[in-house]
Amino acid sequence: NAGVTQTPKFQVLKTGQSMTLQCAQDMNHEYMSWYRQDPGMGLRLIHYSVGAGITDQGEVPNGYNVSRSTTEDFPLRLLSAAPSQTSVYFCASSYHWPGPFSYEQYFGPGTRLTVT
Amino acid sequence: GQQVMQIPQYQHVQEGEDFTTYCNSSTTLSNIQWYKQRPGGHPVFLIQLVKSGEVKKQKRLTFQFGEAKKNSSLHITATQTTDVGTYFCAVLDTGANSKLTFGKGITLSVRP
Repeated sequence: NAGVTQTPKFQVLKTGQSMTLQCAQDMNHEYMSWYRQDPGMGLRLIHYSVGAGITDQGEVPNGYNVSRSTTEDFPLRLLSAAPSQTSVYFCASSYHWPGPFSYEQYFGPGTRLTVT
Repeated sequence: GQQVMQIPQYQHVQEGEDFTTYCNSSTTLSNIQWYKQRPGGHPVFLIQLVKSGEVKKQKRLTFQFGEAKKNSSLHITATQTTDVGTYFCAVLDTGANSKLTFGKGITLSVRP
């Protein structure tokens, strides 16, 4: 199993550009989520999904879009990049409550995004 | 939703000292998870606690869920340089959405 994969690992964007951060998992997890991590702010939830076709907003959704057309993939789209979106982005997946499994979140390696 | 607080944000210890950190909530929690993130890495799951007063151990790490389920602690015995990193607690929303909310974390540095 590859676990959770994210591409790209690094990205530099100019203000106003758009791009998609890719996330995929091969563990058949229903739940997938995106977090951003900034110094002193911990991990803040951007968007999450409890299954294909179902998404919802987290704590900091503005400026980001998501869709979930398959169980495996959960891309994050930046519509018009701003310097405030400079951050490290993590994708994570887990089983969905309730169920007989552990609910540990498996994180991808992260994407380091700089917006100039 | 449920929120958790971790203070302070940074702690420095001498190698060999014990270390304890806490995760606090003003509301009763259904569960607590702990994660560790090494510098430059991604968060890695350590443990989940669900029962009042539950204690779990992993080698030199001891995790406890408070009797009132409003706080949790992580204790590291005889810290080593390999314990360096940021430790996060997180609470899982056991309602419809399985949302996981993280505390801000505590960054531990260990002086050799």
